[in-house]
Amino acid sequence: QSVLTQPPSASGTPGQRVTISCSGSGSNIGTHPVSWYQQLPGTAPKVLISTDNRRPSGVPDRFSGSKSGTSASLAISGLQSEDEADYYCASWDYSLGSWVFGGGTKVTVL
Amino acid sequence: QVQLQESGPGPVKPSETLSLTCTVSGVSITSYYWGWIRQPPGRGLEWIAYWYYGGSDTDNYNPSLRSRVTISLDTYRNQVSLELSSVTTADTAIYYCVRGAGTYCRGGRCYPDIFDIWGQGTTVVVSS
Repeated sequence: QSVLTQPPSASGTPGQRVTISCSGSGSNIGTHPVSWYQQLPGTAPKVLISTDNRRPSGVPDRFSGSKSGTSASLAISGLQSEDEADYYCASWDYSLGSWVFGGGTKVTVL
Repeated sequence: QVQLQESGPGPVKPSETLSLTCTVSGVSITSYYWGWIRQPPGRGLEWIAYWYYGGSDTDNYNPSLRSRVTISLDTYRNQVSLELSSVTTADTAIYYCVRGAGTYCRGGRCYPDIFDIWGQGTTVVVSS
């Protein structure tokens, strides 16, 4: 069981907005920044969001991140077929003394 | 262009030591954080460890793996190495070499903000 809790799946039709939640606690998301990663099938993860809501260079602006208290969210606006992937949230947990990841959310484009 | 290339031994037997090497090109490993993350088949990501050359927090390990993990940096060859001892079938996974970037600090310690570059991963199977 992951320290950060994500829904196992999410879906939408092309053009829709999909939101993925990531629930943590005061020892991780409540204190440390959250990052998000996209893993396309058969490939290594790629960073989508840093420091809660910043997009690294090259990441499309339809990906956005937010954080409130001990929860974070990733939103995908204008969903596209190439967005079908697994998405992971991550943060440092000072109680565990470890980086922790969410269990991952599989996004399906219907 | 920064690239990370993992190399490993292939199949490993239970109780043996797993050794992996990550060759970094395009940047010196004397900058940034360098580490390892793994992914068991069909499952999520698990952070193993990272190391920062010359930093005050020079290494960090996942507490659940700490007793079995050694991470080291070879600045001459620009390589990052991982050793995991006493492996079991639970250590079967894809092992990714990663770069940590964007340092931030909390409570007197500093951390990478993101793992911004990943190797393609190397599959390690632990089997008798």
